[in-house]
Amino acid sequence: QVQLQESGPGLVKPSETVSLTCGVSGGSVSSKTNYWSWIRQPPGKGLEWIANIYYSGSTDYNPSLKSRVTISQDTSKNQFSLKLTSVTAADTAMYYCARDRVLPVGTTFSYAFDIWGQGTMLTVSS
Amino acid sequence: DIQLTQSPSSLSASVGDRVTITCRASQSISSHLSWYQLKPGKAPRLLIYAASSLQSGVPSRFSGSESGTDFTLTISSLEPEDIAAYFCQQSHSTPRTFGQGTKVELK
Repeated sequence: QVQLQESGPGLVKPSETVSLTCGVSGGSVSSKTNYWSWIRQPPGKGLEWIANIYYSGSTDYNPSLKSRVTISQDTSKNQFSLKLTSVTAADTAMYYCARDRVLPVGTTFSYAFDIWGQGTMLTVSS
Repeated sequence: DIQLTQSPSSLSASVGDRVTITCRASQSISSHLSWYQLKPGKAPRLLIYAASSLQSGVPSRFSGSESGTDFTLTISSLEPEDIAAYFCQQSHSTPRTFGQGTKVELK
């Protein structure tokens, strides 16, 4: 059974660069049927998709964050990571990693985030 | 970006009640809509994908339906463990987007 586990620094200062990591167990980041995503939820607010990465290394970003975000993968460690630059208080949120999996639907298919980590809280404060 | 308008933002219901949450897409997304359950301190859980397909392991009291760009999540008989926040999400195109969420509370 695939499990995801996020890790991060917890508390950072404004303007700093932060890296978050998602470890994958019970499965492989090299699977061709999955994208791997980062999603965040600021306190009391809704969910925001940040970025994803495919096994090939191709990436896609939310235009709202694209200038400050980089997603990458390390197949040797079976993990993927998110780097967020120039953080502000608005980046304070629970950050989740998730598997965006292709799921069969009759003769066609659809995508959904079928596996999530429990999240890592990032607080930006001086 | 595709906007998802979810309603209501919160609701109170009793155990055994039928609960309905709606999600309206700003444009056609075919059936590429999923529903998730979020509880504090737990990993979010996929309930429904492709508008009406029940994810493996999810109780059958959860169901999804669609009519054009309108989507509905129904809990046929609310259980205490269903107290949570629920979000819809579209996978028709990127950026993936979510509804604003619905908080379900016990009356």
